[in-house]
Amino acid sequence: DQQVKQNSPSLSVQEGRISILNCDYTNSMFDYFLWYKKYPAEGPTFLISISSIKDKNEDGRFTVFLNKSAKHLSLHIVPSQPGDSAVYFCAARRSGGGADGLTFGKGTHLIIQP
Amino acid sequence: DADVTQTPRNRITKTGKRIMLECSQTKGHDRMYWYRQDPGLGLRLIYYSFDVKDINKGEISDGYSVSRQAQAKFSLSLESAIPNQTALYFCATRPSGSTDTQYFGPGTRLTVL
Repeated sequence: DQQVKQNSPSLSVQEGRISILNCDYTNSMFDYFLWYKKYPAEGPTFLISISSIKDKNEDGRFTVFLNKSAKHLSLHIVPSQPGDSAVYFCAARRSGGGADGLTFGKGTHLIIQP
Repeated sequence: DADVTQTPRNRITKTGKRIMLECSQTKGHDRMYWYRQDPGLGLRLIYYSFDVKDINKGEISDGYSVSRQAQAKFSLSLESAIPNQTALYFCATRPSGSTDTQYFGPGTRLTVL
């Protein structure tokens, strides 16, 4: 049972345009969401996060939007640059219960076309 | 210098062999994690440790064991490797506190023949 879903395995966007990556979750206990970026042969690197008490967080070209009622979040990258080509993972953390660790989606491979 | 290092980076072994993957960090974080990634799947949590004396199972701990030798070191063992443990393994760390941002190592690619 996949609790964090990224339904688009890949996304191709033209350089300079906006990239929108989507993520859905099913567990209402998730209270913190993160996006990670991964290049081949490297570990994931943290990109941006959002707490469940907010609906938007912005950091430079990256903005994450959270819609709690729809259990949906999205990552916007604008303008998209060639270096943004990577696999993007959505991840979530569950509050309470003493457990730890992140639950990841399967990832979306973003390809920025020149 | 990398803050989170993993050794080896690549390993090929045979079914039934014992394998240890090691992780070291210089970030001074007390929490450490082991994840595995399979092709087309996201990362899944194997084990995590709050500190040297606190080890916890994650989502897919069967067939694995861990040891937290010191705050900076967290090793993952496969007592008797099997082919479906072929995967990319990542170690991660984070400080206790309000942030949930985890910092990942470069990964170990393990192949079990």
